[in-house]
Amino acid sequence: QKEVEQNSGPLSVPEGAIASLNCTYSDRGSQSFFWYRQYSGKSPELIMFIYSNGDKEDGRFTAQLNKASQYVSLLIRDSQPSDSATYLCAVNIIGDYKLSFGAGTTVTVRA
Amino acid sequence: DVKVTQSSRYLVKRTGEKVFLECVQDMDHENMFWYRQDPGLGLRLIYFSYDVKMKEKGDIPEGYSVSREKKERFSLILESASTNQTSMYLCASIDRGYGYTFGSGTRLTVV
Repeated sequence: QKEVEQNSGPLSVPEGAIASLNCTYSDRGSQSFFWYRQYSGKSPELIMFIYSNGDKEDGRFTAQLNKASQYVSLLIRDSQPSDSATYLCAVNIIGDYKLSFGAGTTVTVRA
Repeated sequence: DVKVTQSSRYLVKRTGEKVFLECVQDMDHENMFWYRQDPGLGLRLIYFSYDVKMKEKGDIPEGYSVSREKKERFSLILESASTNQTSMYLCASIDRGYGYTFGSGTRLTVV
């Protein structure tokens, strides 16, 4: 079983819609959760991190964490063509700086 | 601004060559990592280092070695390049828990 799994996509949404990305993880010791955005041919860049259960909002992005269900999600509101990218979910466990990554979900925002 | 610099964006090497991939960070971070990224497989950890002259194997260390003689520099070495090592290689560093900063990546082709 993979440590971090994401819905494989690709996910296509119209401009202005909400894009919803999901991620599950297997290690209950996971402590920190990160969402990275990666444009084609570029390296990943951090867009959100969350440590506590509940929602965390940053502009058009909302991360949601449910540790009991071992589930973290990312919502992109008012999607723009510039949001078209691959989104990577990453987790680490207590006391460890290493991150485990999901395979990513590719999002395409249609104008 | 935080910066991780990888020496080459694109490399083409021949099978059997010894290949050096260099990574330098200017943030005085102790923790540095090398990943490779392949379509459908996500990011996989090759080696990491938590301090100068310290190194630990990641999930896929076979065929690779590393060197960390100075805090700011973490080098990945392909002892004898093979075609299955054709990939995107990403270096990252982290301070204390706010996610990685990635370098721009090196796309290596082994022919």
